[in-house]
Amino acid sequence: QVRLLESGPGLVKPSETLSLTCTVSGVSISSLYWSWIRQSPGKGLEWIGYIYDTANTNYNPSLKSRVTISVNTSKNQFSLKLTSVTAADTAVYYCAMGGAPNFDYWGQGTLVTVSS
Amino acid sequence: DIQMTQSPSSVSASVGDRVTITCRASQGVSDWLAWYQQKPGKAPKPLIYSASSLQSGVPSRFSGSGSGTDFTLTISSLQPEDFATYYCQQANSFPFTFGQGTRLELK
Repeated sequence: QVRLLESGPGLVKPSETLSLTCTVSGVSISSLYWSWIRQSPGKGLEWIGYIYDTANTNYNPSLKSRVTISVNTSKNQFSLKLTSVTAADTAVYYCAMGGAPNFDYWGQGTLVTVSS
Repeated sequence: DIQMTQSPSSVSASVGDRVTITCRASQGVSDWLAWYQQKPGKAPKPLIYSASSLQSGVPSRFSGSGSGTDFTLTISSLQPEDFATYYCQQANSFPFTFGQGTRLELK
């Protein structure tokens, strides 16, 4: 059974870097598409980007200058880094498997608050 | 970006009712349209992909239809566990985008 679990700090200071990791079990991360999605009251659900074949990425243009998604195949994990965060980046962050035609499996989500 | 607009924003219904939720794309997305169900404090759960294909394990009372710009999600006979928020999502072009959600409430 495929499972995804997000981990990382729940509080990040403004202007710093948000870093999250998604640990995947039940399937190899070396194939398929792996996405990050966030949800905030103000902007609803927002796709951040995905990585596939361990090295190819596609990011939402609205975040592209600040986002990096990478894979650690030895740990079957993928990660999100979002730089120069502001209060607008406060959201529940989800990792998910897939992209098109849909996101098949989701992690439980982790709330990240940007505040000093 | 392709904008996804759902209607209604909220709907009240009773157990056993038939409910239809509409999703409209600002430009054509072919059949690259998915539906999700979300309950409070939980991640979205996939229901439908490719506009009309039922995700494995999803009850057959859920169905999807449409192509191009107009899509519908229908629940044929509401069950107590169906009261939740529903989202559509297009996967035709980047960036993938979601609708604003339709809240299905118990009347």
